[in-house]
Amino acid sequence: QVQLVESGGGVVQPGRSLRLSCAASGFTFNTYGMHWVRQAPGKGLEWVALISYDGINKYYLDSVKGRFTISRDNSKNTLFLQMDSLRAEDTAMYYCAKDLGGIAMDFDYWGQGTRVTVSS
Amino acid sequence: EIVLTQSPATLSLSAGERATLSCRASQSISTFLAWYQHKPGQAPRLLIYDASKRATGIPARFSGSGSGTDFTLTISSLEPEDFAVYYCQQRSNWPPYTFGQGTKLEIK
Repeated sequence: QVQLVESGGGVVQPGRSLRLSCAASGFTFNTYGMHWVRQAPGKGLEWVALISYDGINKYYLDSVKGRFTISRDNSKNTLFLQMDSLRAEDTAMYYCAKDLGGIAMDFDYWGQGTRVTVSS
Repeated sequence: EIVLTQSPATLSLSAGERATLSCRASQSISTFLAWYQHKPGQAPRLLIYDASKRATGIPARFSGSGSGTDFTLTISSLEPEDFAVYYCQQRSNWPPYTFGQGTKLEIK
């Protein structure tokens, strides 16, 4: 069965960096696009970034462009989100999600999330 | 950016009743709409994609309809496990993908 397990969250000061990971299993990782989606406390879901199955094409929410970098290691079935210059408004639960297709479909499986808190 | 507006914000119903949740898009999105169920502390779950296609393993009591700007998620007869927050999401015009603000389905 499909499993997505996020890790790397924590408490970090504004302006600092954090790297999230998502370990995938139960499907052919290198044939599917992957996403990061976040949920701020008391708020709804917000899409953050998408990477194509081959890692070549990457897309971002405007508010994280230039600060966050999505990447993947298909040899290790792992997705990453490098978050630099973190702001208080980046505080959220971060979920990785599998694309229904190679890219630009909906999110058919999600992890349980990893919590990021940006605070001084 | 396409804005999705869900109504009502909260829906109070009893088990066995029919639930009708709405999602309206700020411009036409054809049928590029999905619905998700989210319970506290759990991973969100895809219910419906392409407006009306049930995802793998989703019970037949969940159905989706609509096209253009107006969409509906219907739960024909509520089970106790159906009480959760429901989100619609569009992939017609991206990036960004956008979600509605959610409808909380609570036990009456």
